[in-house]
Amino acid sequence: GESVGLHLPTLSVQEGDNSIINCAYSNSASDYFIWYKQESGKGPQFIIDIRSNMDKRQGQRVTVLLNKTVKHLSLQIAATQPGDSAVYFCAENIRDTGRRALTFGSGTRLQVQP
Amino acid sequence: NAGVTQTPKFRVLKTGQSMTLLCAQDMNHEYMYWYRQDPGMGLRLIHYSVGEGTTAKGEVPDGYNVSRLKKQNFLLGLESAAPSQTSVYFCASSYSTGQAKAFFGQGTRLTVV
Repeated sequence: GESVGLHLPTLSVQEGDNSIINCAYSNSASDYFIWYKQESGKGPQFIIDIRSNMDKRQGQRVTVLLNKTVKHLSLQIAATQPGDSAVYFCAENIRDTGRRALTFGSGTRLQVQP
Repeated sequence: NAGVTQTPKFRVLKTGQSMTLLCAQDMNHEYMYWYRQDPGMGLRLIHYSVGEGTTAKGEVPDGYNVSRLKKQNFLLGLESAAPSQTSVYFCASSYSTGQAKAFFGQGTRLTVV
């Protein structure tokens, strides 16, 4: 889920389990969404994206679900591995603004227990 | 393929000093962005550019200036650094508008004392 300030929400899972990371967005004009993974000391890395005319998109071990009715986005990681430990950010493109850049959420930390 | 390269990687400044952060991309991307990331928070957009010779303000532009004299480079300047500008700065680039995945550099950790 989303959080504000210094304390990132943390999701702790066992290796091999499935992970679900959630993101709520507030702007109904958002028409494109991306999930990024950020490992400690590194820049954000693209995972998967989805456009607002879709409700599901699958990648390798990852699935993004979009529910426009409740303005909710989720990232599902199958068979979570220790290398998946990172902070995950959702980002959105807000169509109505003149600003042509992504707006980021505050992130969720995923901890994978061996 | 280097992607997006930021220099320097680390820097310590005294209050009132100035500096320029350099971002270079070799993907022929039109769009470039500067974000800052504070502890436990997401990325906030400082300035961005939609093409060579153009710049625009983001969410938190105060205290920063930018220039895009060449398509492959996007410079972020701090004219008079303040402790509130202590942060990690990320540059990114993308092919087109916000509806395209952005590629990020490795970040510049700046401390203002």
